[in-house]
Amino acid sequence: LAKTTQPISMDSYEGQEVNITCSHNNIATNDYITWYQQFPSQGPRFIIQGYKTKVTNEVASLFIPADRKSSTLSLPRVSLSDTAVYYCLALTSGTYKYIFGTGTRLKVLA
Amino acid sequence: GAGVSQSPSNKVTEKGKDVELRCDPISGHTALYWYRQRLGQGLEFLIYFQGNSAPDKSGLPSDRFSAERTGESVSTLTIQRTQQEDSAVYLCASSRLGDETYGYTFGSGTRLTVV
Repeated sequence: LAKTTQPISMDSYEGQEVNITCSHNNIATNDYITWYQQFPSQGPRFIIQGYKTKVTNEVASLFIPADRKSSTLSLPRVSLSDTAVYYCLALTSGTYKYIFGTGTRLKVLA
Repeated sequence: GAGVSQSPSNKVTEKGKDVELRCDPISGHTALYWYRQRLGQGLEFLIYFQGNSAPDKSGLPSDRFSAERTGESVSTLTIQRTQQEDSAVYLCASSRLGDETYGYTFGSGTRLTVV
């Protein structure tokens, strides 16, 4: 399982775009980059996954450069309710033992 | 049910007592996972069940921890002779076979406090 590194915390203001970068230098060919979001007193929830280039859904965008050694989660126009911990994982297809680091604690300020 | 249900949501117990934590996965989800999350920390894998296969217990921290699952439904995590270091949120998740890469669905967890 590839090790991922991401900032411990970030602050932002409402309405701003937030970009959280994750490093995964030893990512394997069959690894997918997956992001989870965890609100206080809740379990993490899946938000987005990608293999390369760009993926967008109703919650976020995920940018993965050609070398796949890093990725960036982009949250457009954040609101106070986006305050959460965001986890970056490099998941091997068929692997079930997810390794969660400490994640990035995002605080959105009014 | 619509989501993964865990009970109790909170449990306070005295050191040395046994506790049982329950998880009801999403109907049809053959895979079930238990994780532990200490305050301010990431999630620590404990155990994995997949259908009728032997569970992967490699994450259980000591022989005081055990887990059972009835078929493809309810799972119980048991901690015997609880210690203060066992205080954490215990999270259960489930997924469909083949969907592991796309993610689990987590419950809200059981917050265990050992006093």
